[in-house]
Amino acid sequence: GNSVTQMEGPVTLSEEAFLTINCTYTATGYPSLFWYVQYPGEGLQLLLKATKADDKGSNKGFEATYRKETTSFHLEKGSVQVSDSAVYFCALTPWRDDKIIFGKGTRLHILP
Amino acid sequence: GEEVAQTPKHLVRGEGQKAKLYCAPIKGHSYVFWYQQVLKNEFKFLISFQNENVFDETGMPKERFSAKCLPNSPCSLEIQATKLEDSAVYFCASSPGTGNYGYTFGSGTRLTVV
Repeated sequence: GNSVTQMEGPVTLSEEAFLTINCTYTATGYPSLFWYVQYPGEGLQLLLKATKADDKGSNKGFEATYRKETTSFHLEKGSVQVSDSAVYFCALTPWRDDKIIFGKGTRLHILP
Repeated sequence: GEEVAQTPKHLVRGEGQKAKLYCAPIKGHSYVFWYQQVLKNEFKFLISFQNENVFDETGMPKERFSAKCLPNSPCSLEIQATKLEDSAVYFCASSPGTGNYGYTFGSGTRLTVV
């Protein structure tokens, strides 16, 4: 079946540190891959996406590359800020399917 | 507008009472999705619509949950005879299509059943 596995948190970093949140997936065909962010008390916001192998999604300093050979879509940022503190969800939509399948989320705390 | 509007933000119901949640999708988006976020952040797919037609209802608990998307009205999700385990945040999302669009989510309705 289709599934998303992401690293468990919480992840605590100091401001300006380098961030990696690992995400791997299992899917048939050619899924589209996403990272969503949920700030405290708010809904989900689409952070970035990639729709085919080797695509790189980027937004607000965050990047992730669709790696078909390793079935991965790791989220990275070179220098995190306190305002990046949130829960990050890796997700996919399977080929020719409608629903999004989410990972369990990774809570990120950035210390000033 | 460019946001998915969900109402109310918070809803408290006694066990056995009815709960009704509303979602206004982004104008021009033909797909609407409902998700339930329970403890520990897990998202559960409930149902999706293409315009006013049910597209996929594989996640809906059939006995007590129902949903509609009627023309010129907000979509709704109704829970008859709520149970304690229905306490969750319910998110609505809309999209112009399925697959690689990345859906736009509303800010959710927090349902607390006491």
